[in-house]
Parts: sequence; structure tokens; C-alpha cells
Amino acid sequence: ILNVEQSPQSLHVQEGDSTNFTCSFPSSNFYALHWYRWETAKSPEALFVMTLNGDEKKKGRISATLNTKEGYSYLYIKGSQPEDSATYLCALYAGGTSYGKLTFGQGTILTVHP
Amino acid sequence: SAVISQKPSRDICQRGTSLTIQCQVDSQVTMMFWYRQQPGQSLTLIATANQGSEATYESGFVIDKFPISRPNLTFSTLTVSNMSPEDSSIYLCSASPGYNQPQHFGDGTRLSIL
Repeated sequence: ILNVEQSPQSLHVQEGDSTNFTCSFPSSNFYALHWYRWETAKSPEALFVMTLNGDEKKKGRISATLNTKEGYSYLYIKGSQPEDSATYLCALYAGGTSYGKLTFGQGTILTVHP
Repeated sequence: SAVISQKPSRDICQRGTSLTIQCQVDSQVTMMFWYRQQPGQSLTLIATANQGSEATYESGFVIDKFPISRPNLTFSTLTVSNMSPEDSSIYLCSASPGYNQPQHFGDGTRLSIL
């Protein structure tokens, strides 16, 4: 059983603050790392798919980094806005016979206060 | 990117009954997945549904409880059978074009069992 862990479990920040959270995974099982944003009553929305050690991806105010050797990824949000409030999920694709199968972390619940 | 329509969006069911959840994709996809999120838990994969073969279930999930159909490349159903309050969860379907591409999710089915 793969162990994908996210921290913190929840986070409250003020509008305009920058924030970051962590996804840890077993480095020996790495093929790809996904980040999703899941707003209440909506479907999870893909943010990034990262496959290369040292990769850094950016989408607007959100960016992510990846360290496959030590088994972690960071997600950063610059200048948080109330609409960034959501659960942020990371998921590991570990390869093998289950093509496309993802193992999700428990998520980080972000609340941005106006 | 694929758009997935999932129905029903929510339901309240009686103990011992069964409910079938449907997912329709607007394009042909090889892999579809069914997930569950119990309160306070991470997204957990129930099974992988590939067209033309039987679904592959994860540990802890069995076909008698969660029968899945995948009659073609754009449609899948998940049935939650003989429901109990422990089955109260959000159920999500997703479609994946490949491990290095993001998964596309339905909006989820919020299921409550009385």
C-alpha cells in the first residue's frame, strides 16, 4: 500500500498571504505526481502533472515543485484570494500494471479569509 | 479535455437498497476509475473499469458490493448494493488518457444512507 501524505491537514490564511503545503510520497515508486484543486460541490480540477525531478510548474498564482529523490512536492499559492479556498489534493502514479491508477493524499483544506 | 457527466449528483437512500451511478464521457477513453471519499478520508480508488474486460477492484472492495459496467468507451456505471450507513460517501468517476496526463472527474455523487 502506497503512503501519500499531505501537510498540513488544514490551513487558514488571510487574503493576500502567500502559502505553501507539502505532499510526501515513496520515492522508489515514483512515475508521476498530480495536483488537483477540489472546491465544494464541484469536480476536482487538475492543476499540474509532474514527471521530472526538479520540475517546477506554474499556473497563474499557483506553482509547484518536485523532488523525486527525496519524495516530496510543494504547492505554493502567492497572494491568496478567497476563491482559492478549496481542498488541494496530490496523487501519485506509481506505474506497474495498473496503468493510470492514482493514490491520493488526504488533502490540505485551504480557507482564505477576506 | 474530456467532460464527464455524472448522475445523480446526490441521493438519500434507505438501508438495504441499491443505487446505480452513471458517468458519461464526451469522448472515447480507455481507462475509467471509480473513487469513494468517506467523511474525513482521502479519495480511495474502488476499481478500474476498462472497456471489454472486467473491472479490477482494489483491496477491500468486491464486485458483489460494487458491481461496475463498462459497455463502451464513453460510459460506465457503479452500483452500490445493499447499502448501509457506512456507504455514506462521495462517489466520483474519472477518465484518464494516460498517467502523465491529468484525470478528468465527474462532479460526484453525494450519497447518504438512512
